[in-house]
Amino acid sequence: EAEVAQSPRYKITEKSQAVAFWCDPISGHATLYWYRQILGQGPELLVQFQDESVVDDSQLPKDRFSAERLKGVDSTLKIQPAELGDSAMYLCASSATGNYGYTFGSGTRLTVV
Amino acid sequence: SQQGEEDPQALSIQEGENATMNCSYKTSINNLQWYRQNSGRGLVHLILIRSNEREKHSGRLRVTLDTSKKSSSLLITASRAADTASYFCAPRRDNYGQNFVFGPGTRLSVLP
Repeated sequence: EAEVAQSPRYKITEKSQAVAFWCDPISGHATLYWYRQILGQGPELLVQFQDESVVDDSQLPKDRFSAERLKGVDSTLKIQPAELGDSAMYLCASSATGNYGYTFGSGTRLTVV
Repeated sequence: SQQGEEDPQALSIQEGENATMNCSYKTSINNLQWYRQNSGRGLVHLILIRSNEREKHSGRLRVTLDTSKKSSSLLITASRAADTASYFCAPRRDNYGQNFVFGPGTRLSVLP
């Protein structure tokens, strides 16, 4: 069964350092989402792409976070500089156009020390 | 986008018992989906129920939808320890490009 690939699985970084996460959605899925999930809470949308275009980044802290999906396939989420409050699980999901369900990756667990 | 609110926030049952969790939402929907999340993993799509459906089954899962009350319930019958997870509902207003706003979920613990 097709999966959404994310790497790394775990990341520990020091405060003020830069960190990047990568996501490869299911082939053919035009829509890609990045969510952040703090322990004990539900996932919070950071950014939504339709192909290579950003559809919704209203919740993305743009002073430190950036996201790109240059060729409309895989995507990178970057944080610079990382802060202690960024410690969370970062989830990537994709969906096909007109399809109702999301397929999530296993996530990247970020710890900022 | 609209958020579903799950209730209860936490539920603890014995293996073999049934587990029921509820979801409420605020505006009209096209469909509503339920997702499961095992600890430290991504969410997994469980079941989708459309606005013109009242009940849907998938294995040990039974979902109901009451659009007049803007609520849904997820029933897991004969629960197993492996059902221990967080469960999220995701109401969807339309078919086109809408993203999900997830609530806090229901944390289900199934005790052996």
